[in-house]
Amino acid sequence: EVQVVESGGGLVQAGRSLRLSCVASGFSFDDYAMHWVRQAPGKGLEWVSGINWSSGRTGYADSVKGRFTISRDNAKNSLYLQMKSLRAEDTALYYCAKDMARGIRGDFDCWGQGTLVTVSS
Amino acid sequence: DIVMTQSPLSLPVTPGEPASISCRSSQSLLQSDGYNYLDWYVQKPGQSPQLLIYLGSIGASGVPDRFSGSGSGTDFTLKISRVEAEDVGVYYCMQALQTPLTFGQGTRLQIK
Repeated sequence: EVQVVESGGGLVQAGRSLRLSCVASGFSFDDYAMHWVRQAPGKGLEWVSGINWSSGRTGYADSVKGRFTISRDNAKNSLYLQMKSLRAEDTALYYCAKDMARGIRGDFDCWGQGTLVTVSS
Repeated sequence: DIVMTQSPLSLPVTPGEPASISCRSSQSLLQSDGYNYLDWYVQKPGQSPQLLIYLGSIGASGVPDRFSGSGSGTDFTLKISRVEAEDVGVYYCMQALQTPLTFGQGTRLQIK
């Protein structure tokens, strides 16, 4: 079964850091781009960041550029999101999502259950 | 950034009736390869989003054929031929042409 499982969320003070992880199984992880998408409470979906299959290309939303860093370890079938200088507006459920392509294309055909990040001001 | 605009934002539908959601992009999503880089997702209550349609009109694996995507350039439509109770949820379009990838505001489909 193709699945991704997020972890690492929690309650953190504004200005602090947090690192999210996503472990994949059921597919060849190093053949696909991966992404983080978030959803603030009661709000819509917001793409946060994506990384291609080889880590050769990354992309970020303007709202997190310079503060968040996406990375992956293909040997561990794992995706990461290092979040620094957290703000109250970063409070959200963070989803890990698998792309259907090697490059950053979108087409998220597998989503995790999400990990909740709450930033207190 | 590409802005995605959906309408309507709320859609009450009687079971068995058709439904249609519109999505417009601030710039063309049609690439030189002939594909429109537009996805449709649904988020059912209490669940993670799931992919319905990609590249404008291709149904994702396991998606019932009552769901179809159409359109090109900047105007797109998701159609449900006959709505069922299990289709309740929020529907999002998303442009996959360029980063930052951007979603529409979402359309909440409710059963009358």
